[in-house]
Amino acid sequence: GENVEQHPSTLSVQEGDSAVIKCTYSDSASNYFPWYKQELGKRPQLIIDIRSNVGEKKDQRIAVTLNKTAKHFSLHITETQPEDSAVYFCAAIAANFGNEKLTFGTGTRLTIIP
Amino acid sequence: GAVVSQHPSWVICKSGTSVKIECRSLDFQATTMFWYRQFPKQSLMLMATSNEGSKATYEQGVEKDKFLINHASLTLSTLTVTSAHPEDSSFYICSARGSGRALVSDTQYFGPGTRLTVL
Repeated sequence: GENVEQHPSTLSVQEGDSAVIKCTYSDSASNYFPWYKQELGKRPQLIIDIRSNVGEKKDQRIAVTLNKTAKHFSLHITETQPEDSAVYFCAAIAANFGNEKLTFGTGTRLTIIP
Repeated sequence: GAVVSQHPSWVICKSGTSVKIECRSLDFQATTMFWYRQFPKQSLMLMATSNEGSKATYEQGVEKDKFLINHASLTLSTLTVTSAHPEDSSFYICSARGSGRALVSDTQYFGPGTRLTVL
């Protein structure tokens, strides 16, 4: 099955600086990679995703890059703000046949220092 | 669109009792629903996958007789924790994947979670 590793587990960044979270996956069949943001006691919220047919996707201050050859993908947050503080999870799925399940990384606790 | 609700949001029960948690897709048909549990400061661990009208598929190590899952309709799945014990205390989150105009087929939409505390 799929195995997703995520690092770092904790990350503190000065407000305004950039934050980068990295994930690796094991299943070469995986082709969909979402990133979720979870605030304490709340549901995970999809913030950005990428499919294997593209190498990079950007949405305002958030971007995700994918290297299929190396089987790793990264989340980049620029101009960080205090409200970016949360736990971020990467995930991977081989989304071809309708019954696939997401495999989550272990999470990164991001703290933005004002 | 793509709203998933969960009820109750929190529940406290005595050891040995059963607790039912409902997960509903409010504005789309959920062909597949997933149940996760999350311990404090840990990741989401998939417990089971359920497709409407069929038996749930449980992950290794999850007791199917203890965690009963029913996906009776395209908008409702329930998780019943039977004979709950303190070690079952956790945050239970459902997610739904479905079809619809505004939906991305691979995306899972998460419910707000249910915090279960077993005394």
